[in-house]
Amino acid sequence: DVKVTQSSRYLVKRTGEKVFLECVQDMDHENMFWYRQDPGLGLRLIYFSYDVKMKEKGDIPEGYSVSREKKERFSLILESASTNQTSMYLCASRERPRTDTQYFGPGTRLTVL
Amino acid sequence: DQQVKQNSPSLSVQEGRISILNCDYTNSMFDYFLWYKKYPAEGPTFLISISSIKDKNEDGRFTVFLNKSAKHLSLHIVPSQPGDSAVYFCAGRQGGSEKLVFGKGTKLTVNP
Repeated sequence: DVKVTQSSRYLVKRTGEKVFLECVQDMDHENMFWYRQDPGLGLRLIYFSYDVKMKEKGDIPEGYSVSREKKERFSLILESASTNQTSMYLCASRERPRTDTQYFGPGTRLTVL
Repeated sequence: DQQVKQNSPSLSVQEGRISILNCDYTNSMFDYFLWYKKYPAEGPTFLISISSIKDKNEDGRFTVFLNKSAKHLSLHIVPSQPGDSAVYFCAGRQGGSEKLVFGKGTKLTVNP
């Protein structure tokens, strides 16, 4: 079974803080993704990574950055958290080229006060 | 521009009956479609997929139908069970792209 884990299920931060969200997958997948989910907006792609040290912007990258130093780990960074970044953050990974299916972690509910 | 549209935010059905969730897309370059199910406070779980070269894929109680000419796909759940109550997301992938484009989701409630 593919396992994608996220460092925290719930997180509360203050405006202006630097926030790190960590994601780890144990299946040696090349591709990893960060999404946010908001009511009425579905899942929106923030960033994704083809492989180690490779990244590409998704649809809503503003205010975020990412880091992928090791294949199994993909970090999402909020340089200066703002209240409009309160959301559910979901990490996913995908094995290429055998499958197009993305496997998701349990999500991190981030609240920025 | 919303490339994947799930026009029904919610759907309510009785246990044992059929649930039909619909999805429309605008990008004719999509070559692969997936359905995910999501419970509250959990990550989405892959449910079923279909390639654009097929018009039907079945897995147990779940069947996905694809109508390429209408740019429409649907997920059928038969028979529906209360445990199927969740938000269902439709997603499309453009050939050659790494990204999935998701719809906004449909909340399915199956009443006992």
